[in-house]
Amino acid sequence: GAVVSQHPSWVICKSGTSVKIECRSLDFQATTMFWYRQFPKQSLMLMATSNEGSKATYEQGVEKDKFLINHASLTLSTLTVTSAHPEDSSFYICSARGGTSGNRQFFGPGTRLTVL
Amino acid sequence: KQEVTQIPAALSVPEGENLVLNCSFTDSAIYNLQWFRQDPGKGLTSLLLIQSSQREQTSGRLNASLDKSSGRSTLYIAASQPGDSATYLCAVRGQGGGGADGLTFGKGTHLIIQP
Repeated sequence: GAVVSQHPSWVICKSGTSVKIECRSLDFQATTMFWYRQFPKQSLMLMATSNEGSKATYEQGVEKDKFLINHASLTLSTLTVTSAHPEDSSFYICSARGGTSGNRQFFGPGTRLTVL
Repeated sequence: KQEVTQIPAALSVPEGENLVLNCSFTDSAIYNLQWFRQDPGKGLTSLLLIQSSQREQTSGRLNASLDKSSGRSTLYIAASQPGDSATYLCAVRGQGGGGADGLTFGKGTHLIIQP
């Protein structure tokens, strides 16, 4: 149980375009979802926390107008990278917590974004 | 601001050895601590979760300890196998709400078990 999926697993786009990444909890209701990104040889860094039906809370230094997060249901959160630039190229990972998962966060497989 | 440090950054040992991975954190006011495994280009697999009130957790060949007051945790892997090769990440969850509710990760220990 406690499976989290992400789509797409990888995406390549041109600079200036917007990219949407989906995160789904497949077998539990995720009251809270988290978005992280990981640059090569770096730690995962928390970008934002979202609770179902409310606005996301962004970490310091993360532009909320650039990284749009929607947590419209208990099983789906989306991250949209608007007007992507090469420096946004990274590995984006979501996690979900809720239901019987208790305190534990379960992570998706990640999305590799490459902006040309 | 919480900072998590993992030592060593990389480790290569022959199969069958017991080994210890270290994690330290600067703010002892944590809710819990988790150890994860990350395979190349993949997401994270949760290995062990230790609540702030606990001292250790065990799962199979893995044992994790927590000394909250000194800001340290260790992950002990017994009888290592080539399949244990991966990057091991330590992460702490703060006690506060909002952004502090997320996890703060170390950079990981890249482990290679030689057959």
